[in-house]
Amino acid sequence: ILNVEQSPQSLHVQEGDSTNFTCSFPSSNFYALHWYRWETAKSPEALFVMTLNGDEKKKGRISATLNTKEGYSYLYIKGSQPEDSATYLCAFSAGQNFVFGPGTRLSVLP
Amino acid sequence: EPEVTQTPSHQVTQMGQEVILRCVPISNHLYFYWYRQILGQKVEFLVSFYNNEISEKSEIFDDQFSVERPDGSNFTLKIRSTKLEDSAMYFCASEVPSGRAQEQYFGPGTRLTVT
Repeated sequence: ILNVEQSPQSLHVQEGDSTNFTCSFPSSNFYALHWYRWETAKSPEALFVMTLNGDEKKKGRISATLNTKEGYSYLYIKGSQPEDSATYLCAFSAGQNFVFGPGTRLSVLP
Repeated sequence: EPEVTQTPSHQVTQMGQEVILRCVPISNHLYFYWYRQILGQKVEFLVSFYNNEISEKSEIFDDQFSVERPDGSNFTLKIRSTKLEDSAMYFCASEVPSGRAQEQYFGPGTRLTVT
């Protein structure tokens, strides 16, 4: 059974702080690792799709890295803003079967 | 900006009844997915669909479930005889096909309540 873990489960930071969280996934049969941002009462929004070991992707203040050999990805948010408050989900795919992590709930306090 | 739409937003049904959840994917997308999230649990993959057939399905996707793309625009999930434990938020997603994994675009979800 494939298992994807995320840590921490929840996180409170002050506006302006930088933060990061982790997604751990199986290192075998890797195809892609997806990060999503999910605000309450909305649908998950794709942030990044990463497929190659060592991939680094950036979108504004958010960036992500990927290590497929050891099975982890980090998501970084630089200078957190209240609008960054959301649940950040990662999903591992081996082909077209996706396994989601439980998410990291981020609250950015003004 | 194109988006994935889902109807209805909320469906209440009695146990044993059939339900059909509808999705309209983004028009040039060719991979389609259904996911669900039971309250308080992880998002779970149900099924992926490409070229008018199921590509992959999870253990959850048993004989009670079926998917169809009846008219080239809608993508439906049918639950034949609903159970209480089918109560969940059901999300549809679509993706542009490419040689590599692409971003999935999620719909707003349908909340299914089975009583």
